[in-house]
Amino acid sequence: DAGITQSPRHKVTETGTPVTLRCHQTENHRYMYWYRQDPGHGLRLIHYSYGVKDTDKGEVSDGYSVSRSKTEDFLLTLESATSSQTSVYFCATRRREGNEKLFFGSGTQLSVL
Amino acid sequence: AQKVTQAQTEISVVEKEDVTLDCVYETRDTTYYLFWYKQPPSGELVFLIRRNSFDEQNEISGRYSWNFQKSTSSFNFTITASQVVDSAVYFCALSEEGRGQGAQKLVFGQGTRLTINP
Repeated sequence: DAGITQSPRHKVTETGTPVTLRCHQTENHRYMYWYRQDPGHGLRLIHYSYGVKDTDKGEVSDGYSVSRSKTEDFLLTLESATSSQTSVYFCATRRREGNEKLFFGSGTQLSVL
Repeated sequence: AQKVTQAQTEISVVEKEDVTLDCVYETRDTTYYLFWYKQPPSGELVFLIRRNSFDEQNEISGRYSWNFQKSTSSFNFTITASQVVDSAVYFCALSEEGRGQGAQKLVFGQGTRLTINP
């Protein structure tokens, strides 16, 4: 395991409020990813990071922003949450270059009412 | 862009039956990697296998086997003598180049929910 901790594990919030999800890893992995999981869609990439302060958009990045100020932390922010962002969010890490497997966190269940 | 299709949304079989989960992919890359992950009812994602596009040999690990056919762009997963503990959602994934050195991403299929009944 890659020592990945996601917080919070569950959150209920209201439409229009900002929300930040945190991913913390203890293995010094260079690459970090945020995915969302929805029925019928599998896992879809939101944003990813290839180093401190280096991030890029994924397939479903609208309405989300990320920051990575330290190797160990990757934050996902929903600037103004909408009901369509109700989902399970997974953080993942990869140790180094090359097509190694991703290690996943336990997920955050977010409900936007 | 890369695409992964798992056409079987749900499969239900009786314990001890063999079951095959299909995965078809699309890519323009000549070098790529394919993965399978398992998501049991507890929700975590468990890595099962990684295969590169140059290695077309089938792989077997206990009751699990994988059939990679480049000619049909498929990477199917078979469970032999299925058990109740195999009940899970299974995802197939394909690597895709991202921005930044070494920043490969994974593109996932929709997943197949497998239920093994006692």
